[in-house]
Amino acid sequence: DAKTTQPNSMESNEEEPVHLPCNHSTISGTDYIHWYRQLPSQGPEYVIHGLTSNVNNRMASLAIAEDRKSSTLILHRATLRDAAVYYCILSEDTGNQFYFGTGTSLTVIP
Amino acid sequence: NAGVTQTPKFQVLKTGQSMTLQCAQDMNHEYMSWYRQDPGMGLRLIHYSVGAGITDQGEVPNGYNVSRSTTEDFPLRLLSAAPSQTSVYFCASTTGQKNEKLFFGSGTQLSVL
Repeated sequence: DAKTTQPNSMESNEEEPVHLPCNHSTISGTDYIHWYRQLPSQGPEYVIHGLTSNVNNRMASLAIAEDRKSSTLILHRATLRDAAVYYCILSEDTGNQFYFGTGTSLTVIP
Repeated sequence: NAGVTQTPKFQVLKTGQSMTLQCAQDMNHEYMSWYRQDPGMGLRLIHYSVGAGITDQGEVPNGYNVSRSTTEDFPLRLLSAAPSQTSVYFCASTTGQKNEKLFFGSGTQLSVL
């Protein structure tokens, strides 16, 4: 399975932008890059996903390197509610079997 | 629209007991899956189903059985619970088209004594 590497933890000040990195050097040409987040005591929730081009939605932006070996999830203005574990996942070409790593635990400082 | 519903929310079992964790979705999703999450860990895929009557194993299937008789329901069975199965269990569903987002339930916290 293709693997991703994320920092174990990051901190950000409230109302500042946050850049969460993810390395995926073994990504295949058809793998999409997905991001999910898990708030305390809840199930994961979808954030964003993309293939090659940068993507934006109401929650975040996804910046994908030109060689696709890394990506960055951007929260434009962190709030306390954004404190969560963020998972970077590569989709499998065979289906929807998403394999979660340990993610990045984001702490937002008031 | 309820989404993905898991029951029960909490359960305590004794070693050797059996039980079924229920998962139901009302979005007509073809794909459903079960994950477990141990403290401080990410989610690990147990079993998944790409449609009624079709199931397959994920990363950690041992000790768990599943079946998919309807599109809506995907129960997870523990035939003989062990302390190593103490975990939080999440059910997820999606349309079955590639790269559609997963919808997760709120989880079942299981303790096996």
